[in-house]
Amino acid sequence: RKEVEQDPGPFNVPEGATVAFNCTYSNSASQSFFWYRQDCRKEPKLLMSVYSSGNEDGRFTAQLNRASQYISLLIRDSKLSDSATYLCVVIPSRDDKIIFGKGTRLHILP
Amino acid sequence: SAVISQKPSRDICQRGTSLTIQCQVDSQVTMMFWYRQQPGQSLTLIATANQGSEATYESGFVIDKFPISRPNLTFSTLTVSNMSPEDSSIYLCSVGDRGGYYGYTFGSGTRLTVV
Repeated sequence: RKEVEQDPGPFNVPEGATVAFNCTYSNSASQSFFWYRQDCRKEPKLLMSVYSSGNEDGRFTAQLNRASQYISLLIRDSKLSDSATYLCVVIPSRDDKIIFGKGTRLHILP
Repeated sequence: SAVISQKPSRDICQRGTSLTIQCQVDSQVTMMFWYRQQPGQSLTLIATANQGSEATYESGFVIDKFPISRPNLTFSTLTVSNMSPEDSSIYLCSVGDRGGYYGYTFGSGTRLTVV
């Protein structure tokens, strides 16, 4: 099993729809989880941290399921500007290197 | 979060030459990370640069090819040496926000094309 796995997509979703991504991780002791967004030809930018209790930021909701070892990202009322690649990031411990998923490409269609 | 200035933003280089990429951070950080991202791929860690010690390289990356300097807690350079077309990629530096607990910030990247 790969350390971090994501569905590469692309997800082609009509504007206004709700879309969800999952990301699975193999190390059950992993401590920190993040979702990053990367636009074409740009650097990755932090979208959300993912906490055990789940967290919400506007149209975005991130959740962590430790029992099943996955994190999820839900985007509601999707906008054209949400089109990007979404990277799942897992950090096994404070001193460990970051592990990136390969990213899920999202295309919001007008 | 930290602000990183990365230079150059892009370059086209002849094979066999070397390019040095610089990253300047607006705050002191213990570790800086160097990544490579090839087209359509995710990020691959090249090495971790610690101030005052040798960089730690990941499997498949060696110091002779990718020498790193870390002269102080706000600055680092990565050199891509003796370049070949296979080195064409985007190179990014990164630092952890408050030790990485709040995520990691990336430089804007250096798009390298070797001809």
